[in-house]
Amino acid sequence: KQEVTQIPAALSVPEGENLVLNCSFTDSAIYNLQWFRQDPGKGLTSLLLIQSSQREQTSGRLNASLDKSSGRSTLYIAASQPGDSATYLCAVKGREVDSWGKFQFGAGTQVVVTP
Amino acid sequence: SQTIHQWPATLVQPVGSPLSLECTVEGTSNPNLYWYRQAAGRGLQLLFYSVGIGQISSEVPQNLSASRPQDRQFILSSKKLLLSDSGFYLCAWSVQGLYNSPLHFGNGTRLTVT
Repeated sequence: KQEVTQIPAALSVPEGENLVLNCSFTDSAIYNLQWFRQDPGKGLTSLLLIQSSQREQTSGRLNASLDKSSGRSTLYIAASQPGDSATYLCAVKGREVDSWGKFQFGAGTQVVVTP
Repeated sequence: SQTIHQWPATLVQPVGSPLSLECTVEGTSNPNLYWYRQAAGRGLQLLFYSVGIGQISSEVPQNLSASRPQDRQFILSSKKLLLSDSGFYLCAWSVQGLYNSPLHFGNGTRLTVT
């Protein structure tokens, strides 16, 4: 069974520093990995999706890398701002026969960017 | 563009009362639909998913049920709520048949069972 882990559970950085968020998964047989942002009391907003054949994906200040063989993905947020404060979750979509269309989520990393 | 609507935003219900949460998707046809629950400090738990009208798969045995009466409508129900049903319920959709379709979420419903 696929297990997704995000460490650390919480992170605090001063404004301007780069953020590095980690996501690890146990089964490398995946279709893709998706990063989300969740503000308190809100739904999840999709940030980036990396297909299993890709090594990285970029959008503005965000860059996500994927090393499928080692079961790891990293989300980099450059020059963090207080508005980046949120919980960041990763999810993987597995290739198992009975997991078609289903995603397995990590518990998230809560980020606070201090002014 | 596609949008997903989920209501109500918040709900307080007594133990033993019924539940009905509704989710609709606009701007796409025959989507995969999902219900997730997020407990405080924990990850998302998949409750139900659907690949078509009347086709519902349950991930966790419990006193909740789901129905898909129309292509873009997904309903989460319970006949009698338990205290343990409290949580944040999220509806989501993805494109049917596209392996690399992103997952898109609604704004969620905060359910408190008293």
